[in-house]
Amino acid sequence: DSGVTQTPKHLITATGQRVTLRCSPRSGDLSVYWYQQSLDQGLQFLIQYYNGEERAKGNILERFSAQQFPDLHSELNLSSLELGDSALYFCASSADGADTQYFGPGTRLTVL
Amino acid sequence: GQNIDQPTEMTATEGAIVQINCTYQTSGFNGLFWYQQHAGEAPTFLSYNVLDGLEEKGRFSSFLSRSKGYSYLLLKELQMKDSASYLCAPWYSSASKIIFGSGTRLSIRP
Repeated sequence: DSGVTQTPKHLITATGQRVTLRCSPRSGDLSVYWYQQSLDQGLQFLIQYYNGEERAKGNILERFSAQQFPDLHSELNLSSLELGDSALYFCASSADGADTQYFGPGTRLTVL
Repeated sequence: GQNIDQPTEMTATEGAIVQINCTYQTSGFNGLFWYQQHAGEAPTFLSYNVLDGLEEKGRFSSFLSRSKGYSYLLLKELQMKDSASYLCAPWYSSASKIIFGSGTRLSIRP
């Protein structure tokens, strides 16, 4: 158990819908990262937050957005969902912005 | 860019030793992580190298050569549970982020 929690574990929804994925970092970690992993693909970095502020952006679509709240939990919002958005979405946290990342169990999103 | 090159797939025998190589671009490089990921599960941290040389941690060792942009992960006394993907992930201070390679899928046969 890494100490990073993600909810929900599974999510099934339809095209065009909007979903929110939630992540709570390890106690004391200030940085949160979001990754997308499609079937048999590598981890694609989406976005990083550090202490509430956006720090780095990867290949995140405009339909996707994220934020980190004052209590340091983070949410990833995915809208106008397409079939291709079906993937595992991982959240990771680290103590600062350049430290070992510890991953949550992931949310498996299925778009039908 | 930070092109990361590691073999896509490898197969090894239970009880044997396997070495997974990784090359990366050196510009802005700070250190290198190795993660293990079982299918459908989260990546888990294995090692972090910032200095040249070999670091041993039980059955797993990781090596780094900063000047050559080269690292390897050495797994000894292979067990069936070692069947997983191994992700090479260099950290670039210039980009303030860790870049994950596509991973090497290791299959262990009895």
